[in-house]
Amino acid sequence: DTGVSQNPRHKITKRGQNVTFRCDPISEHNRLYWYRQTLGQGPEFLTYFQNEAQLEKSRLLSDRFSAERPKGSFSTLEIQRTEQGDSAMYLCASSLETRSGANVLTFGAGSRLTVL
Amino acid sequence: GQNIDQPTEMTATEGAIVQINCTYQTSGFNGLFWYQQHAGEAPTFLSYNVLDGLEEKGRFSSFLSRSKGYSYLLLKELQMKDSASYLCAVRVARGTALIFGKGTTLSVSS
Repeated sequence: DTGVSQNPRHKITKRGQNVTFRCDPISEHNRLYWYRQTLGQGPEFLTYFQNEAQLEKSRLLSDRFSAERPKGSFSTLEIQRTEQGDSAMYLCASSLETRSGANVLTFGAGSRLTVL
Repeated sequence: GQNIDQPTEMTATEGAIVQINCTYQTSGFNGLFWYQQHAGEAPTFLSYNVLDGLEEKGRFSSFLSRSKGYSYLLLKELQMKDSASYLCAVRVARGTALIFGKGTTLSVSS
């Protein structure tokens, strides 16, 4: 397994455009998470899925953001009408959720968004 | 609200020992995690504590006191490659996402 894969690694866009990021998790993992990270800050939770079901969304997630995981495998995060404040690293992570154990999150390398 | 506090920056020299503290005030507790993140890279898992006490893993150890809402990460025999950001994260309830602190940037000099 190659770990968590994210594409594209870098995206530069103009304000008002839509962007979409893709995440391919570790294949045997049933949980998939999206986080956002800005310089000098820790990752900020956005949303997560168990298989194809979106179980939680941060109240910080505006309605311009939408995430899907249609077949319980890869996920996409779309940002509509981008704003300069959306500039950040978008991190995807996956985990195997079990009743016991640490359920450690494994992160991808991230997709860096720059909104001009 | 949920609050996780860590020092912003720390410096140390090669071969030394450094302790990075983390305090948390959260609505619940189901585990505390430490991650390492080098500049421009993904966070990587270091340690996990759910019960009070010390967990040792090579040069790294992590301690937890649930009654005090406190954890620390201890790094021994520091190496230049240990220069990175160290992230403390709490799971508030089983099955929920991790909440991260802002991270502590550690600079190791020779």
